[in-house]
Amino acid sequence: ILNVEQSPQSLHVQEGDSTNFTCSFPSSNFYALHWYRWETAKSPEALFVMTLNGDEKKKGRISATLNTKEGYSYLYIKGSQPEDSATYLCAFDNFNKFYFGSGTKLNVKP
Amino acid sequence: GAVVSQHPSWVICKSGTSVKIECRSLDFQATTMFWYRQFPKQSLMLMATSNEGSKATYEQGVEKDKFLINHASLTLSTLTVTSAHPEDSSFYICSARVLQGANLISPLHFGNGTRLTVT
Repeated sequence: ILNVEQSPQSLHVQEGDSTNFTCSFPSSNFYALHWYRWETAKSPEALFVMTLNGDEKKKGRISATLNTKEGYSYLYIKGSQPEDSATYLCAFDNFNKFYFGSGTKLNVKP
Repeated sequence: GAVVSQHPSWVICKSGTSVKIECRSLDFQATTMFWYRQFPKQSLMLMATSNEGSKATYEQGVEKDKFLINHASLTLSTLTVTSAHPEDSSFYICSARVLQGANLISPLHFGNGTRLTVT
């Protein structure tokens, strides 16, 4: 079983704050790294699929970076809004076999 | 697009009974579906990979006779928890991938999950 770790476990920020969290994964045999947003009572929604070292992806106020050599990815949210409140999951894609972190639960207070 | 529907959303059953959970891909064909289980404050753990028309591949430690998986069509996979016990109480969620030609690096699309409580 591959070890995928996310930190912090939870985060409370004020509306307008920018925030970031980390996903650590094995640096060997890298294939892809996924980020998902999981809102309460909904299904996880794909944010990014990242494959190349140094990759940087952006969707609105959310962006992610990838370092495959050292085995980490950062997710950034600029100017957090209450609707960003969710659990953010990362998953190490080992060629059609996914290993998930425990997630970072973000709460954005208005 | 790429919607996965999972039913039921929650179920309460008595110890010793069986429970079936359905996972359907509504607008795409899924040759492979994945079943995960999540215990409180833990990560999603892969239970098995369901392959259309063939036997499922179970992860180490998952009893195939207890967690029966059937993937009879390209749009439906079912997970049956047989002779359920309280320790089987958990959150079960399915997912599928839309394969895009030779590119397998596509995200997972998830159902809403099923909360199973065994009394």
